[in-house]
Amino acid sequence: AQTVTQSQPEMSVQEAETVTLSCTYDTSENNYYLFWYKQPPSRQMILVIRQEAYKQQNATENRFSVNFQKAAKSFSLKISDSQLGDTAMYFCVIQGAQKLVFGQGTRLTINP
Amino acid sequence: DAGVIQSPRHEVTEMGQEVTLRCKPISGHDYLFWYRQTMMRGLELLIYFNNNVPIDDSGMPEDRFSAKMPNASFSTLKIQPSEPRDSAVYFCASSLLPLGGARSETQYFGPGTRLLVL
Repeated sequence: AQTVTQSQPEMSVQEAETVTLSCTYDTSENNYYLFWYKQPPSRQMILVIRQEAYKQQNATENRFSVNFQKAAKSFSLKISDSQLGDTAMYFCVIQGAQKLVFGQGTRLTINP
Repeated sequence: DAGVIQSPRHEVTEMGQEVTLRCKPISGHDYLFWYRQTMMRGLELLIYFNNNVPIDDSGMPEDRFSAKMPNASFSTLKIQPSEPRDSAVYFCASSLLPLGGARSETQYFGPGTRLLVL
């Protein structure tokens, strides 16, 4: 079975600061995908970033980057130059050959 | 666009009763997802449809749960008989592409149905 653990239920930082959200996972599969999704109050589930497990290079998308440590089964998200619009619930998600598994989420608040 | 529409928004029922949750996806979206969110288990994918066909129902907890999508604009999630442990917020979501994989993209969630089974 696959599991995802987000150990930070809530985080809060000032605008323009850098913040890192933690995620660890467990899977017995060799090929899988990892994602970070954000869910703002509008309730959209917006894809932030995607990482293929077979790729060693960490994925980046503008201000968002990940630190993927496959051996440690760790997949953290770093948000640089945080903006008010980054306020949302962030979910770490794993997808293997079986169904998707979501972490419990981290509620991130960016303060002005 | 009205977004994903779910009804009812709140449902309180007694154990043993049948509960039907309804969802209207965004027009043109080929994928529809049902999720359940609880404090203990977080967000769980129950089932998803592609072009009205159930693709993966491995998340459906047990035979008391069933989901249908008779057409592209309507889906139901039914619980019969309901139990107190089914109390949760049930979300419906839709997207143009499937969640996950190399072509993953944004999913649009409805407001959810808050279900309380007494």
